[in-house]
Amino acid sequence: AQRVTQPEKLLSVFKGAPVELKCNYSYSGSPELFWYVQYSRQRLQLLLRHISRESIKGFTADLNKGETSFHLKKPFAQEEDSAMYYCAFISYNTDKLIFGTGTRLQVFP
Amino acid sequence: NAGVTQTPKFQVLKTGQSMTLQCAQDMNHEYMSWYRQDPGMGLRLIHYSVGAGITDQGEVPNGYNVSRSTTEDFPLRLLSAAPSQTSVYFCASSQTGNTIYFGEGSWLTVV
Repeated sequence: AQRVTQPEKLLSVFKGAPVELKCNYSYSGSPELFWYVQYSRQRLQLLLRHISRESIKGFTADLNKGETSFHLKKPFAQEEDSAMYYCAFISYNTDKLIFGTGTRLQVFP
Repeated sequence: NAGVTQTPKFQVLKTGQSMTLQCAQDMNHEYMSWYRQDPGMGLRLIHYSVGAGITDQGEVPNGYNVSRSTTEDFPLRLLSAAPSQTSVYFCASSQTGNTIYFGEGSWLTVV
């Protein structure tokens, strides 16, 4: 079955600490992977997509096909990074976006 | 360019009532979808549409109806509201293969 797994519901760190939000996917083909972020009571916003290989707000994510992972990383967390983060993928040739259950990141001062 | 617009933002319904959540996009996107967001369950796809006149079911379609008479609009109808449908609903749109844009969400409470 096509699935995205985010094993951590909550991740709490202090400002300046490194952050890694885990994401594993289950898909037989070559999915297109995304990270979406949702700040408190706001709409979801695209943070990263793996095909663009860019760094947004200091976050990066590398697709590891061997481990079927797409972990989101930031070397130094900021308080404004506190939000809900969702990993998602689109299966080939469709626009059906399948989400993980999300990880809430709390960054303490 | 307003993007994806959802109305209403907040709604309280009594069990058994029906209502429609409106969604409109002004980006001429072919693909539109509705998700519900529940704690611990992430976002789950309710219904989606790949173009005007075409709709299909997602993961959790029961209790919901959709139509796509125009490219711009994709309303979600709750036929007979139940407390289990208390959730936050997000509409989304995209052009195939490109970024998916979300509306601001509609908070629905069924009592």
